[in-house]
Amino acid sequence: GAGVSQTPSNKVTEKGKYVELRCDPISGHTALYWYRQSLGQGPEFLIYFQGTGAADDSGLPNDRFFAVRPEGSVSTLKIQRTERGDSAVYLCASSSGPGWGELFFGEGSRLTVL
Amino acid sequence: AQSVTQLGSHVSVSEGALVLLRCNYSSSVPPYLFWYVQYPNQGLQLLLKYTSAATLVKGINGFEAEFKKSETSFHLTKPSAHMRDAAEYFCAVSEGRDNYQLIWGAGTKLIIKP
Repeated sequence: GAGVSQTPSNKVTEKGKYVELRCDPISGHTALYWYRQSLGQGPEFLIYFQGTGAADDSGLPNDRFFAVRPEGSVSTLKIQRTERGDSAVYLCASSSGPGWGELFFGEGSRLTVL
Repeated sequence: AQSVTQLGSHVSVSEGALVLLRCNYSSSVPPYLFWYVQYPNQGLQLLLKYTSAATLVKGINGFEAEFKKSETSFHLTKPSAHMRDAAEYFCAVSEGRDNYQLIWGAGTKLIIKP
């Protein structure tokens, strides 16, 4: 597609469940980013991929969060044993290279943990 | 550490009036500065960026921003507001072109009164 695609757009789950959020970046973009946006706040960096590897995962809040990008395109953010505090909009962005600042964002996946 | 402060979570202006959205930053090195816009039900979109060239930066949709080092500010302006400008605006900073981590402000919701 022409833009960054994220699925699902909305996910409601129960505390303790496992969740996967998918991001399909713009074709040819080597850099992919995950951010989390809580209500009333700006995006918060989670992880950055350059190609298939996680170049920086320092923003992941704890070991319940994990992300992969096995073929250097689609990425999946995985959250284990979800907690109510994980409720947020998870944003994915891609760019043609690191540090350009011209991130192209998807519409986000809104996660609600009951 | 870097930080971004956006003054006013909500700004309301009349259609045709001047738009001024404030952004102040802190950075230990010359920063790269960005404004992103999020229209309802859409992903974040780059409005404009400052990357150490001209201090007055022109963006899309008639917006511009001026980098003032002495004031550590990067305020966003538009001479005449349109109803279509109603959106949430985010200021972000990174420490240089090769730094992929953007630090974001909390956002300002722009409300346009008819």
